[in-house]
Amino acid sequence: DAGITQSPRHKVTETGTPVTLRCHQTENHRYMYWYRQDPGHGLRLIHYSYGVKDTDKGEVSDGYSVSRSKTEDFLLTLESATSSQTSVYFCAISDEDRAYNTIYFGEGSWLTVV
Amino acid sequence: QQQVKQSPQSLIVQKGGISIINCAYENTAFDYFPWYQQFPGKGPALLIAIRPDVSEKKEGRFTISFNKSAKQFSLHIMDSQPGDSATYFCAASLYNFNKFYFGSGTKLNVKP
Repeated sequence: DAGITQSPRHKVTETGTPVTLRCHQTENHRYMYWYRQDPGHGLRLIHYSYGVKDTDKGEVSDGYSVSRSKTEDFLLTLESATSSQTSVYFCAISDEDRAYNTIYFGEGSWLTVV
Repeated sequence: QQQVKQSPQSLIVQKGGISIINCAYENTAFDYFPWYQQFPGKGPALLIAIRPDVSEKKEGRFTISFNKSAKQFSLHIMDSQPGDSATYFCAASLYNFNKFYFGSGTKLNVKP
């Protein structure tokens, strides 16, 4: 295992409520990512971080925000959850010190918005 | 715009057969092409990867074939086994850029 813990692993929430997913790593990797996985769309990047307090948008960032106050933690917040955000969310990490980097994924967080 | 296009969406292969999954990309600056394997309820895990300076890479029963001029690469699983049944994702990234683009995935079912 890559030393990535996601929480919660499963959550059901109501439309309009805020939701925060947490990713914790023990590898001290610089880069952290949030992806969502949906049938027919594969893995799509929501946001990523290249250091503490350094984040950037991915291809499907609308409705999501992130924060990284410590190297080991990367939080994904759905500001006001919608049914279209029902998905499986994966946190991932990669190491900056290798020319060809491998990205390692967590076990996923299943989110249902009702 | 999808950076990496993957096909087929699903694949059924008999045990012992060859599974072939194809990917195509547009950005000629991509220079690292990994494949990920995902079992139900788990996160994707790196299976095998190739750089464009070689045309083929083999690891056990898994082979990546790379065609730089066609901007295509494929995963071949020889002697496919029921334990290979999983979803496979191709990906592409840029040297030292730490940003990965994934295909839409192929669900492989190997029948015993």
